[in-house]
This record gives sequence, structure tokens and C-alpha cells, in this order.
Amino acid sequence: DVKVTQSSRYLVKRTGEKVFLECVQDMDHENMFWYRQDPGLGLRLIYFSYDVKMKEKGDIPEGYSVSREKKERFSLILESASTNQTSMYLCASSPYHQGAPLHFGNGTRLTVT
Amino acid sequence: AQTVTQSQPEMSVQEAETVTLSCTYDTSESDYYLFWYKQPPSRQMILVIRQEAYKQQNATENRFSVNFQKAAKSFSLKISDSQLGDAAMYFCAYSPKYNNNDMRFGAGTRLTVKP
Repeated sequence: DVKVTQSSRYLVKRTGEKVFLECVQDMDHENMFWYRQDPGLGLRLIYFSYDVKMKEKGDIPEGYSVSREKKERFSLILESASTNQTSMYLCASSPYHQGAPLHFGNGTRLTVT
Repeated sequence: AQTVTQSQPEMSVQEAETVTLSCTYDTSESDYYLFWYKQPPSRQMILVIRQEAYKQQNATENRFSVNFQKAAKSFSLKISDSQLGDAAMYFCAYSPKYNNNDMRFGAGTRLTVKP
């Protein structure tokens, strides 16, 4: 089974802090994704990466950046956390072929105070 | 841009009964993929079922089946013989055929199963 591991399940950070969310997958998938999940809004794509050092903006990239230095690892960075970034963050991976489903991590509940 | 709409924020079903969750989508493409994902209270999202738009036959996975109406752009999920473990958030998702980096999700339906 594919395993997607997010480093933290819960994080509490202060406004203005730099925050790193880490994600590792063990199935050699080309694609990796960061989603934000909010009630009533479903999942919204922040960034995705289709290869090492490659990244593309999703629908809501403002206030976020990403890093993919190794194929198995995809990091989400909040340069200066704000209270409106309090949310659930989901990492996912998939192979690069048509119709491939996403494999998700357990999620990180981030609270910014 | 493609959009996915789940019009039922919450549903409930009695254990052993059948429930149908609704999903509609908007696209100008003729070929694509549709998915239902389940997110139990433990939070890890898992794939329930997948449908390829060019296939006429509705996908089934054990107690889970879909009613895919391409012309109506409707993709409902039927859960038969509901079990307590089916309680979860269910998300409908759309993916273009040639770009699996652009998966679109609905807002989700929270399903409660009553014993």
C-alpha cells in the first residue's frame, strides 16, 4: 500500500511565524500535491509538483510556497503565518498517468493564533 | 473551469439501509474521470470508486456503486447495506483525462449511520 506521511497531525503557531509542513511518500510517485480543506469549501489545491524541483501553482497559492528537493518529499511553507491560514492541510501523491487516483496523508490541522 | 457540486452537506441512513449521495459536475470535455473519496473521522482520505467517462457501465465496488449519467453530468454514489464504518465525509471529484494534476473536488457530504 502507498503510504503518504505528514510529519505533524496538529500544529499551533503564532502569527508571523514561518511554518513548514512536511510530506513524504514511499511509492516513487511523480506527482505530489498540497490541498487545503475547509468546511463547505471541499479541497482546494495550493500547489502541486510533477517532478523534483518542479512546481505549479494551484488555485490558492497566495501566502504559500513549496519545495521538492527529493522525489519522495514535498514541503509546504507558510512564510509568515496568518490567522486566515488556520485550516486542515492535506498532502497527496499519485503516479503520472491518466485517471490515477490520489493517495492522501492523514492531514495536518494547523492553528495560527 | 470544471466545477463539482455536492448539494447535500449532510445525510443520514439507518444501518443496513441504502443511501444515495448526489454529485453533479460541469465540463466541456468529452472524456474524463470521476471519483468518490471517503474521509473517515480519522481523516485519511481513501478512494472509494472510480469511473471513466467513456465507459457506459456503472462502476461497482462491493456495496458501493455509482449511477453515472453523462448527459446530465451527474455522478451519484449508492451505498447498500450501510454499516457503521461507512460514517464519513464523502467527496466527489473530477479529473480531466489528460491532466491528472487538475483534480477538482466537491464540498463534501457528511454521512451519518444510525444503529
